[in-house]
Amino acid sequence: GENVEQHPSTLSVQEGDSAVIKCTYSDSASNYFPWYKQELGKGPQLIIDIRSNVGEKKDQRIAVTLNKTAKHFSLHITETQPEDSAVYFCAASISNFGNEKLTFGTGTRLTIIP
Amino acid sequence: SQTIHQWPATLVQPVGSPLSLECTVEGTSNPNLYWYRQAAGRGLQLLFYSVGIGQISSEVPQNLSASRPQDRQFILSSKKLLLSDSGFYLCAWAATGGFYGYTFGSGTRLTVV
Repeated sequence: GENVEQHPSTLSVQEGDSAVIKCTYSDSASNYFPWYKQELGKGPQLIIDIRSNVGEKKDQRIAVTLNKTAKHFSLHITETQPEDSAVYFCAASISNFGNEKLTFGTGTRLTIIP
Repeated sequence: SQTIHQWPATLVQPVGSPLSLECTVEGTSNPNLYWYRQAAGRGLQLLFYSVGIGQISSEVPQNLSASRPQDRQFILSSKKLLLSDSGFYLCAWAATGGFYGYTFGSGTRLTVV
């Protein structure tokens, strides 16, 4: 089955700096890669996703890049703010005709230092 | 718009007691439904998923069971809780007519004492 590795497990950055979280996946058939943000005591929320036919996607301060050859994808947050502090999860899935399951990374705890 | 409801938000139960957590989805039909558990400071572990009424797949052998009595209702149960069942339980749904990831509920914090 699919295996997703995520690094780093913790990350502290100064407010205003950029943060990068990286994930690798094992199954070359994976074609959908979402990122989730989980605030303390809440359920994870989808913040951005990318499909395998796209190399990069951006939404304001957040961007995701995908390298299919190397089987890795990354989350980039620019101009970080205190409210960006949370746990971030990457995930991957394979199209399976309505029976998709996400395989999650182990999470990155991001702390923004004011 | 679609919404997912999960309750209760917190639960403290003694060892050996039964458990029933409920999740309902509104605004969509025939969703895929999922139960995840998250231990403190850890990742997301898939427990069960369902592609239709009465259809349950278990990912990890354990002390828990799941049922889907209605299209948009997913229930997580246990007959006798163990200390190791403590954790943060999350329900999620996904559309079946094109995959756009999961939408998670707000979670239930279960403490077994």
